[in-house]
Amino acid sequence: EVTLLESGGGLVQPGGSLRLSCAASGFNFSDTAMSWVRQIPGKGLEYISAITTSGDGAFYPDSMKGRFTVSRDNSKNTFYLQMDSLRVEDTAIYYCLTYSLKSWGQGALVTVSS
Amino acid sequence: DVVMTQSPLSLAVTLGQPASISCRSSQSVVNSDGDTYLNWFQQRPGQSPRRLFYKVSNRDSGVPDRFSGSGSGTDFTLEISRVEAEDVGVYYCMQGSHWPYTFGQGTKLEVK
Repeated sequence: EVTLLESGGGLVQPGGSLRLSCAASGFNFSDTAMSWVRQIPGKGLEYISAITTSGDGAFYPDSMKGRFTVSRDNSKNTFYLQMDSLRVEDTAIYYCLTYSLKSWGQGALVTVSS
Repeated sequence: DVVMTQSPLSLAVTLGQPASISCRSSQSVVNSDGDTYLNWFQQRPGQSPRRLFYKVSNRDSGVPDRFSGSGSGTDFTLEISRVEAEDVGVYYCMQGSHWPYTFGQGTKLEVK
């Protein structure tokens, strides 16, 4: 069974940083491209990044470039989202998922507030 | 960016009756490889999104056959032939043909 488990969410002040982790199991992680999608509570979904199987290619919408960095450690079956210069409007539930969109984690809540 | 526009934004359907959700894109979502990467998701209250269809009409395993996906180019439709209580939630379309991938606003389905 495919399992994706996010961790690292929490409360952070505006301008601060946070790193989310996504632990994967139940599939061949090193052969699977991965993605992050976020959802402002009560609102819609926003695709925020994707990374290739080896980690040598990472993709972001223009609105995310420079503040968000995605990476992975295939030896640990773990995938990361580094978020810097956080803004109040980054408050959201962050989901990790397989690039195919088939499997999603349960989400990690990030709250940016002073 | 490709804008995905869903209609209606909310829908109240009597149990056992059909439901239809439209998704229109601001430009064709046919990829350069010839495939159309249009997906549909269901998000039940308190849960993560679940993919229902990929490449327009390919049903994911475990999705009841009362659900169907159709369309081409810029116009797509998700249909439920007979709505059941478990279908309550928000439905999203998403294009994965042109970066950045984009979602529709969501359609909230309620069952009367």
